[in-house]
Amino acid sequence: GESVGLHLPTLSVQEGDNSIINCAYSNSASDYFIWYKQESGKGPQFIIDIRSNMDKRQGQRVTVLLNKTVKHLSLQIAATQPGDSAVYFCAENRSNQGGKLIFGQGTELSVKP
Amino acid sequence: DGGITQSPKYLFRKEGQNVTLSCEQNLNHDAMYWYRQDPGQGLRLIYYSQIVNDFQKGDIAEGYSVSREKKESFPLTVTSAQKNPTAFYLCASSNQSKGGRAFFGQGTRLTVV
Repeated sequence: GESVGLHLPTLSVQEGDNSIINCAYSNSASDYFIWYKQESGKGPQFIIDIRSNMDKRQGQRVTVLLNKTVKHLSLQIAATQPGDSAVYFCAENRSNQGGKLIFGQGTELSVKP
Repeated sequence: DGGITQSPKYLFRKEGQNVTLSCEQNLNHDAMYWYRQDPGQGLRLIYYSQIVNDFQKGDIAEGYSVSREKKESFPLTVTSAQKNPTAFYLCASSNQSKGGRAFFGQGTRLTVV
């Protein structure tokens, strides 16, 4: 969904554990879903994306899962490190709205050493 | 990030003045976007443009204006009609043929006093 006026949920994990960050989306016609990482005071950085005709995609230490039935997206980070501490956003690319790119609420990940 | 430049990084303006934020990209991307981010919150879409000389309103376009006279440039003007302009502004660009994965600039922090 669209992020308006809400403070970010937080997730705290121990270094070395796996992290799972979740996101719900609203537009069933979105054709790409994207995860971003944002560090304080910086612009978001691309992590991984997934096309709507897939349900899983793996990158280096990250996996994205897409469940279109319940409009749910998740990002799994393996062996979480202190450098992974940041805010994570999901985004959906709505090709049926001229390529409108809408961001979800975001989750603040805190990694304890 | 990589080929998208926002300037300036910090900007101070007096209340009632219009101000223009610059965004330039050398990635040959067709699509460009402007987002607003308030402290501890997500990204809200102001305007986006898929091609030169065309742009669409996002979710919070009131009080803002844009132009897209060149493919590389998508300046954002914050007008005096914007009631609460102090925020972090982020520009992004993407290649729609590659899934709409957007790349972001480092942002402009606008403070109106």
